[in-house]
Amino acid sequence: AQSVTQLGSHVSVSEGALVLLRCNYSSSVPPYLFWYVQYPNQGLQLLLKYTSAATLVKGINGFEAEFKKSETSFHLTKPSAHMSDAAEYFCAVSDINTDKLIFGTGTRLQVFP
Amino acid sequence: NAGVMQNPRHLVRRRGQEARLRCSPMKGHSHVYWYRQLPEEGLKFMVYLQKENIIDESGMPKERFSAEFPKEGPSILRIQQVVRGDSAAYFCASSPPADSLTYTFGSGTRLTVV
Repeated sequence: AQSVTQLGSHVSVSEGALVLLRCNYSSSVPPYLFWYVQYPNQGLQLLLKYTSAATLVKGINGFEAEFKKSETSFHLTKPSAHMSDAAEYFCAVSDINTDKLIFGTGTRLQVFP
Repeated sequence: NAGVMQNPRHLVRRRGQEARLRCSPMKGHSHVYWYRQLPEEGLKFMVYLQKENIIDESGMPKERFSAEFPKEGPSILRIQQVVRGDSAAYFCASSPPADSLTYTFGSGTRLTVV
């Protein structure tokens, strides 16, 4: 069965600092991987996705993630945090054999001035 | 092009009542997914539907919960005889047939059982 683990339910950074949100996956077949962002009282918005093309994926709002098969990881990064990045971030996994996404438990990002 | 529309945004039900949650997918999207989000937890998959068909209901509780996506009209998630533990945010997502893993989410329905 597929799963994702998000290390750290809360991450705090200063405005302008590097953002690093961790995601490790488990999948018996080549995975598709996703990062979503959720602002308070809203639905989830797709940040970026990996579907077996380039291992470094660039998304919206300056975020990017790198697929590392040897580490079974898909960590999300942003060089410089902005106050508007404060939200909850979810990693998700799927594969070619299924049409459903399996989500992690989320990481809440706080950005301090 | 309207996004995924969920209504109501907030729903309060007394224990034992029925809750009906509606989801209208984006135009051109034929796949609908329902997820439940509990506080401090991620989104848990409930059910995946296409028009008039339930494709995967492996995440649905065996009792009291049902879902449909009729030929005409929105998808409905129905919870009968609600209990306090059903209080959660319920999200619907839709995707097009050509790119079924690219979900668009609705804003959710927050169900409170009192």
